[in-house]
Amino acid sequence: SQKIEQNSEALNIQEGKTATLTCNYTNYSPAYLQWYRQDPGRGPVFLLLIRENEKEKRKERLKVTFDTTLKQSLFHITASQPADSATYLCALPMNSGGYQKVTFGTGTKLQVIP
Amino acid sequence: KAGVTQTPRYLIKTRGQQVTLSCSPISGHRSVSWYQQTPGQGLQFLFEYFSETQRNKGNFPGRFSGRQFSNSRSEMNVSTLELGDSALYLCASSFDGGYTFGSGTRLTVV
Repeated sequence: SQKIEQNSEALNIQEGKTATLTCNYTNYSPAYLQWYRQDPGRGPVFLLLIRENEKEKRKERLKVTFDTTLKQSLFHITASQPADSATYLCALPMNSGGYQKVTFGTGTKLQVIP
Repeated sequence: KAGVTQTPRYLIKTRGQQVTLSCSPISGHRSVSWYQQTPGQGLQFLFEYFSETQRNKGNFPGRFSGRQFSNSRSEMNVSTLELGDSALYLCASSFDGGYTFGSGTRLTVV
């Protein structure tokens, strides 16, 4: 069956370092992959989308890679700041009954320590 | 441009009751998706509506239903509430490339 896996353990890093989060998927070849940020008690906020023909995408301090051979996406935050502390979710469109439904991973909680 | 609006923000209901949650998408967006989020299960897809038609449905019991109106506003209904229905219910309005989520409705069933 199709699965999305994110490291459920929290990631603690020192301020100023680069945080790297991983999203793996199985039994599927998505046309694109999305990353979201979620703060406690709030809805997720869209950050980036990367398509299957793109290897890398950047937005300010964020960088996303997409390796369709490894079936993996890496999400990097450079020069991390305490304000980056949040849960980060990856999401993929999965085929369902002729349409696509966006399915989310369980997320990785990032804690940036001052 | 206004974001996605969900009402109410918080709700406490008793087991066996029913509840209706509302979602107003971003103006001009015709697709609305609903998700249930719990600490153990993460974001679980409930259903998607497009132009008043349910286009997709997740693996939830028939107690969970929804609809969409001609102005794209959507409602979801849960009947015969159970304790396990306590969750954050999120709706999302889709745009080219991603979702814009509302702040959610926190439902507590006691």
